[in-house]
Amino acid sequence: AAGVIQSPRHLIKEKRETATLKCYPIPRHDTVYWYQQGPGQDPQFLISFYEKMQSDKGSIPDRFSAQQFSDYHSELNMSSLELGDSALYFCASSRDRGSAFFGQGTRLTVV
Amino acid sequence: AQSVTQLDSHVSVSEGTPVLLRCNYSSSYSPSLFWYVQHPNKGLQLLLKYTSAATLVKGINGFEAEFKKSETSFHLTKPSAHMSDAAEYFCVVSGSSNTGKLIFGQGTTLQVKP
Repeated sequence: AAGVIQSPRHLIKEKRETATLKCYPIPRHDTVYWYQQGPGQDPQFLISFYEKMQSDKGSIPDRFSAQQFSDYHSELNMSSLELGDSALYFCASSRDRGSAFFGQGTRLTVV
Repeated sequence: AQSVTQLDSHVSVSEGTPVLLRCNYSSSYSPSLFWYVQHPNKGLQLLLKYTSAATLVKGINGFEAEFKKSETSFHLTKPSAHMSDAAEYFCVVSGSSNTGKLIFGQGTTLQVKP
């Protein structure tokens, strides 16, 4: 069965650079979520989209933005990267407020 | 507000013995509760979910959890641990009845000794 696809799997950026993470939800899923998991931490909710509209917002820095496109894929844009942004970024998708299925994550390292 | 507390940050069991990972929740409405597992350097895999149907929920890989409203608990159990069960386990509550965002517990590291 198709799963949530995230790209890239690994990303290394320098401080103050910009990064774009992509997420392709499971087909026919109407909701996409983004989570950030720091080293040894539990995942923290960043933002979600329902039918291409932002539906909820968590502890997402102003330097970050996200959107969901007409084909339902989503992108998380991070600017002015800081060392503390180094983390595993997960995307998840769900349908009809059902269970969320997670991608493998993108490991971002800021140096 | 919704929250979950995992009572043990680390649990160690011997292979073949029962597993108990404890979770308490707080919710202002009837919650949806989940257990996810994360193996090292892997994504999050859904083990099971509770959504107000049966209070005893069976999941994958022999895991199950019981929803106890009176105790506000949702403990995860497995009768016999396997080496492959060693991982990080997260108890999760749906943080919003509208958006479905998930709020994670702090996680419990399960160690399985041979």
